[in-house]
Amino acid sequence: DAKTTQPPSMDCAEGRAANLPCNHSTISGNEYVYWYRQIHSQGPQYIIHGLKNNETNEMASLIITEDRKSSTLILPHATLRDTAVYYCIVRASDTGGFKTIFGAGTRLFVKA
Amino acid sequence: NAGVTQTPKFQVLKTGQSMTLQCAQDMNHEYMSWYRQDPGMGLRLIHYSVGAGITDQGEVPNGYNVSRSTTEDFPLRLLSAAPSQTSVYFCASSSGRGNYGYTFGSGTRLTVV
Repeated sequence: DAKTTQPPSMDCAEGRAANLPCNHSTISGNEYVYWYRQIHSQGPQYIIHGLKNNETNEMASLIITEDRKSSTLILPHATLRDTAVYYCIVRASDTGGFKTIFGAGTRLFVKA
Repeated sequence: NAGVTQTPKFQVLKTGQSMTLQCAQDMNHEYMSWYRQDPGMGLRLIHYSVGAGITDQGEVPNGYNVSRSTTEDFPLRLLSAAPSQTSVYFCASSSGRGNYGYTFGSGTRLTVV
């Protein structure tokens, strides 16, 4: 699986959009981009994933560049409860890609 | 649906003791995995399974055994506990069909003294 690079930490004002970047320059054609977050010491929570098109769900939006070498997770209106560590992962779609490896992630601080 | 259930939530072991961390899911997921998370660190993959009877090693498998006799259960066995195994252990599961994210359990906090 391709490796990802994320900034170690970011700040965001409450009510503003939080834009979390991820670089995955070695991504392969069959690899999806997944995002998870981990609030304090809870188990990680799946947020969203995509292949090459932009995706949106009730939690967030995922913007993937045309060359697929980077992506951005957008939390449109961040709240204090969005303070967490956000993990960007690339993973192949077939069974061989099940071996999901987590990196260090980005620690997002949402401030009042 | 209960999702992914891990037991116990907390455990203290003495060095050299053995124990089994339990993980069960009721979503009929084919894929299950175990991670450990040391204080202030990210998650590291211990073992994973793509179906009943099939397991494989992750990044840090030494000192742990797994088996997958049913789709629902994926226990993690510590053979001879060491202080270096003090960590929070998370179990996760995912459907094997399509591209779905993993559902994680709430974790087992293990301290080895």
